[in-house]
Amino acid sequence: QSALTQPPSASGSPGQSVTISCTGTSSDVGDYNYVSWYQQRPGEAPKLMIYEVNKRPSGVPDRFSGSKSGNTASLTVSGLQTEDEADYYCNSYAGSNTFVFGGGTKLTVL
Amino acid sequence: QVQLVESGGGVVQPGGSLRLSCAASGFTFSTYAMHWVRQAPGKGLEWVSVISYDGSNKYYGDSVKGRFTMSRDNSKNTVYLQMNSLGAEDTAIYYCAKNSGVLRSGKFDFWGQGTLVTVSS
Repeated sequence: QSALTQPPSASGSPGQSVTISCTGTSSDVGDYNYVSWYQQRPGEAPKLMIYEVNKRPSGVPDRFSGSKSGNTASLTVSGLQTEDEADYYCNSYAGSNTFVFGGGTKLTVL
Repeated sequence: QVQLVESGGGVVQPGGSLRLSCAASGFTFSTYAMHWVRQAPGKGLEWVSVISYDGSNKYYGDSVKGRFTMSRDNSKNTVYLQMNSLGAEDTAIYYCAKNSGVLRSGKFDFWGQGTLVTVSS
């Protein structure tokens, strides 16, 4: 259960788009369409933003989208807004009813 | 509305034990699997464990396997995490999270605010 690999930081200006990658292996991200993304603001609990690679829960803006290619999943935030500034974590099913998170990416809106 | 309230955190000496609780409300607790996820100070999220809706199946992360035990009492709408042989590496905020959909979906749709566990002498 090695952590998924995310870039430590990402940034963009308001209105721009930014993509955060999440790289795993053929035993987790590459083997299952069960990748989710969580947003965590300072001092708050994580919030589900994307599940099953590209599905959005109700209430999450459609500016947030997810995709996957091979062992790498991605979260794209379009039309960046200041309130999008937060830490983002990916999560993948890793088989045998276990899960693994990425190390997290700090998104800064310049 | 869905509410998850963790309790039981505190300061414990290395090698000691602690039991965390997570009280749930606002949904039919007995029909959902539940998870524990932890976050060391200033660090990322780490999945700890999951328990099936009826408590019959439990799974753990490698770092806690053999030391932590998850359980639930559906009559009390509460899930527990018994933590034994604690070490400094277990210092973290512990969150409980509700699973939605199939277990393997990783769809943790609601989270509690967490309870802080500090392992220190």
